[in-house]
Order: sequence, then C-alpha cells, then structure tokens
Amino acid sequence: DTGVSQDPRHKITKRGQNVTFRCDPISEHNRLYWYRQTLGQGPEFLTYFQNEAQLEKSRLLSDRFSAERPKGSFSTLEIQRTEQGDSAMYLCASSPNTGYTGELFFGEGSRLTVL
Amino acid sequence: QQQVKQSPQSLIVQKGGIPIINCAYENTAFDYFPWYQQFPGKGPALLIAIRPDVSEKKEGRFTISFNKSAKQFSLHIMDSQPGDSATYFCAPGSQGNLIFGKGTKLSVKP
Repeated sequence: DTGVSQDPRHKITKRGQNVTFRCDPISEHNRLYWYRQTLGQGPEFLTYFQNEAQLEKSRLLSDRFSAERPKGSFSTLEIQRTEQGDSAMYLCASSPNTGYTGELFFGEGSRLTVL
Repeated sequence: QQQVKQSPQSLIVQKGGIPIINCAYENTAFDYFPWYQQFPGKGPALLIAIRPDVSEKKEGRFTISFNKSAKQFSLHIMDSQPGDSATYFCAPGSQGNLIFGKGTKLSVKP
C-alpha cells in the first residue's frame, strides 16, 4: 500500500500525558499537512510542511502542540500535557509539489481519546 | 470554519434520487473548490473538484456547479446508490490550506 500511513491508529491516554503521532506521506510527495477532526465536524487545518520547512501553522496549534518533519520525509505531531479537549481524530495528508492539482491525499487518521 | 457554510446537515434519499449539497464561502481568494467523501473510520477522499474559471464539471455521476458571484458551489449526485452513503465535505481553499465545511451525512435507501 503506497497511501498515506498513520501510526498509531488509536491512542487512549490520561490527561496530562504526552502523545506522539507519526505520518508517512506518499513517496515523493513533498507537501505534508496535519488536520484535526472532532466528532460531527469537518477537518480543521493545523499545520503544513513543504519538505522539512513548516510553512504555516493554525492558531489552533497551541504551544502544547509541536510538529516536525526531519529530512522532509515522515512527520510527527506531539501533544504535550494532553487535555480532554484534545480528543479528536488527527489526520495527515500529503500532496505533490510539481503539477499540483490541489488534491490532498489523506491517511486514515490517528484517533486520540484523553481520559 | 465560519467562513464555509454547508447545507443540509443530513440528507436521506431513495436509490436513484439526486441529492444536492450546497456550500457557501466568504473568502474570495479561494481558487480551488473540492468535494471530499468520507466513510466511517476512513480519511476523507477527493470526489471531484473545480477551479473558478469554469461553472460546471461532471465526472461520472457527480457534478459540481459553481457560482462565483454568489460565492457558492454545489454537488449533485445522479442516480444515487446505497454505496454513496457517506459524509460529504466541501473544502474550498488555496494552496492546500483547505477550509472544510461541517459535512453532510447522506443516506441512500435501497
């Protein structure tokens, strides 16, 4: 399967703990995005990388959230001191740069439950 | 999220019906107008998209109609099938920064 891969698919944690999600984009896609989706809502943009450079961050991305994309390949999203309001599906998407049509290719998401 | 309004919130049609989902946006800088389809437990997947230089695009049973002056676009599903039952999101934006609507849950009854 050469689609966007996310790990873990499900994470249950206690309030105050740190969690980290990993995203492996489609090979050769140099744009990578993180979105958050809560129940009954559409995905909300969090941040965007082009290669290893983080080019845009939403104001939704508080200082407890940090995303990295070392070497422009996989990306990690870390949430420190989790709160119950962080419970959501965290979606990763990727897209190519050249010949960009605008389409984002989404992974199946990492579901976070904070108890 | 307030800058994108999607309606209706839910829709039930019989097989063969033509559900229509509407999306209104505010930001005139948007240059990409897609509809995404999401099944439970899956990530959204692009269904069909349009650029602002055309008013209509058809791909198979799916049609987008775009009204630039009204800042609205809609999705029509012809000859709907039970397999089309899913949540549909409009997600206008620019350069990959897509603003998703709240979604329309479509149920197609056999």
